[in-house]
Amino acid sequence: SQTIHQWPATLVQPVGSPLSLECTVEGTSNPNLYWYRQAAGRGLQLLFYSIGIDQISSEVPQNLSASRPQDRQFILSSKKLLLSDSGFYLCACQGLTLNTEAFFGQGTRLTVV
Amino acid sequence: AQKITQTQPGMFVQEKEAVTLDCTYDTSDPSYGLFWYKQPSSGEMIFLIYQGSYDQQNATEGRYSLNFQKARKSANLVISASQLGDSAMYFCAMRAPGSNYKLTFGKGTLLTVNP
Repeated sequence: SQTIHQWPATLVQPVGSPLSLECTVEGTSNPNLYWYRQAAGRGLQLLFYSIGIDQISSEVPQNLSASRPQDRQFILSSKKLLLSDSGFYLCACQGLTLNTEAFFGQGTRLTVV
Repeated sequence: AQKITQTQPGMFVQEKEAVTLDCTYDTSDPSYGLFWYKQPSSGEMIFLIYQGSYDQQNATEGRYSLNFQKARKSANLVISASQLGDSAMYFCAMRAPGSNYKLTFGKGTLLTVNP
């Protein structure tokens, strides 16, 4: 079965500092990969979606970017964090057929101070 | 474009009673998949149940069942015999070929089970 490794679990960063969150996947190849952000008590906002290496779509305009240097590695980055970037970030992977469930990492709780 | 709507921000239910969490969706794809996830306060996402648009039967998984009404574009989750551990956020989600199989979530419903 698929396993998602996401780190770090918690992160406190000052405004204007860079960010790099990494997500790696085991147990599958060529997955669809996602980055979601969740504000406290709110729903999951899709940030980035990737169907393959270097194939990434951005869902919302923001100061975040994503890269997929390898098939099973998905990285979320920022050059300069804003206070509004605080939230719970979840990486997920999902197979290509319609009925495959998505598997999620444990999430990163980011607080920008 | 696909859209998921969950109109109940919060729900309360007594332990051992059944509860229905509402979900409506919108898509122009004839083929699509619907999912429900549970998110406890720890933040992990737990897959509960799946319903395909061409499935003839409503999906069931243990105490979870999905009341799928295709003409009304609704996919409500029914939890029978609620337990205290069912207290969590519940999200409805869908994916469809026309949206490149992206998994899109509703805003969620916070379920509280009272003893």
